Amino acid sequence: QAQVEESGGGVVQPGRSLRLSCAASGFTVYSYDMHWVRQAPGKGLEWVADVSHHGGSTNYVDSVKGRFTISRDDSKNTVFLHMNGLIPEDTAVYYCARLYSEGDYFYGMDVWGQGTTVTVSS
Amino acid sequence: AIQMTQSPSSLSASVGDRITITCRASQAIRNNVAWYQLKPGKAPKLLIYAASNLQSGAPSRFSGRGSARDFTLTISSLQPEDFATYYCLQDYIHPHTFGQGTKLEIK
Repeated sequence: QAQVEESGGGVVQPGRSLRLSCAASGFTVYSYDMHWVRQAPGKGLEWVADVSHHGGSTNYVDSVKGRFTISRDDSKNTVFLHMNGLIPEDTAVYYCARLYSEGDYFYGMDVWGQGTTVTVSS
Repeated sequence: AIQMTQSPSSLSASVGDRITITCRASQAIRNNVAWYQLKPGKAPKLLIYAASNLQSGAPSRFSGRGSARDFTLTISSLQPEDFATYYCLQDYIHPHTFGQGTKLEIK
């Protein structure tokens, strides 16, 4: 059964860094587009970043560009979200999800983790 | 970035009701819309992908329609477990963007 499990969240001061991990089981991360989505307290879902199965290209929401980096370690079957220069607005539950795509056809994010909580506060 | 305008933001309905949630994209996005259900403390659940395809395991009372700019999610007969928050997501172009969400509550 395909699963992902996030870890690495915590309480961190503004300006500091954190690395989130998304460990996959039951499938290989290099076969899927892997995404990070977050939900700030009392807010809706926000797409954050993804890494493509095809060539490993990466994309980000504008508010994290230059601060966050998504990466993939195929040997560990794990995806990471490196977060630098954290600000209070980054406080959220961060979810990892997989998406299968074929060219321009997307099959939706069908496997999600339970999320890991990041709190940015002094 | 493409904006997804979702409506209504909240909805009160009864078990057995038929309800429809709408998302309008700020530009044409073919059929690149998915719908997700979110319950407190749980992982989001995929219901519909590519605008109208029912995800395996999702109940058949959920259906999606639309293309270009206008998309809908319909629940044909509400069940108690359907009371949750629903989001559309466009995956046509980066950055992918969610609608603001529709909170479905019991009347």
